[in-house]
Amino acid sequence: QVQLQQSGPGLVKPSQTLSLTCAISGDTVSSDSAAWNWIRQSPSRGLEWLGRTYYMSEWYNDYAVSVKSRISINPDTSKNQFSLQLNSVTPEDTAVYYCARYCTGGVCPHYAMDVWGQGTAVTVSS
Amino acid sequence: DIQMTQSPSSLSASVGGRVTITCRASQSINTYLNWYQQKPGKAPKLLIYSASSLQSGVPSRFSGSGSGTDFTLTISSLQPEDFATYFCQQSYSTPMYTFGQGTKLEIQ
Repeated sequence: QVQLQQSGPGLVKPSQTLSLTCAISGDTVSSDSAAWNWIRQSPSRGLEWLGRTYYMSEWYNDYAVSVKSRISINPDTSKNQFSLQLNSVTPEDTAVYYCARYCTGGVCPHYAMDVWGQGTAVTVSS
Repeated sequence: DIQMTQSPSSLSASVGGRVTITCRASQSINTYLNWYQQKPGKAPKLLIYSASSLQSGVPSRFSGSGSGTDFTLTISSLQPEDFATYFCQQSYSTPMYTFGQGTKLEIQ
């Protein structure tokens, strides 16, 4: 059974960096049949995909245009986890942040986010 | 970007009843359409993938249909635990996975 466990602070000051980690159990971050995503949810923006990392002979990242200049998603194979860093945050980045697995092959449902972390409510405020 | 529009935004129904939620894509997405259920304070849960495939462990009263631009999620014989918010999501335009705005299902 695949599980994702999120960790990180719930309060970040404006202009600082939001950092969250998603630890994977039951799968591996370097799986060739999954992509590892960060998604956020707020009343004003709804569910918003932020970016992903995945391994296919080498590591790849994709980011949403809305945050592309401020975001970094990195895998950590030694700890079997991946992280989100969002720089220069403003109050508009206040949201619940989720990590999620997107399945692309194997026995999981293809082309869907089938496993989610528990969510981390992040508030950007001084 | 592909826009996903759900209707209605909210609806009320009774236990034992049947509801249908609609999701429309701004362009054809074949059957790359997923449905999720979200309860307050919880992460979304995958119900239906590829428009009509039931995720493992999801009750058979949930069903999905459609292709191209128009899709539906139907819940037959509503149970108390089904009252939640439902989202559609397209996975055609990868990786720009976009979600609908949600449909809140409330007890009548």
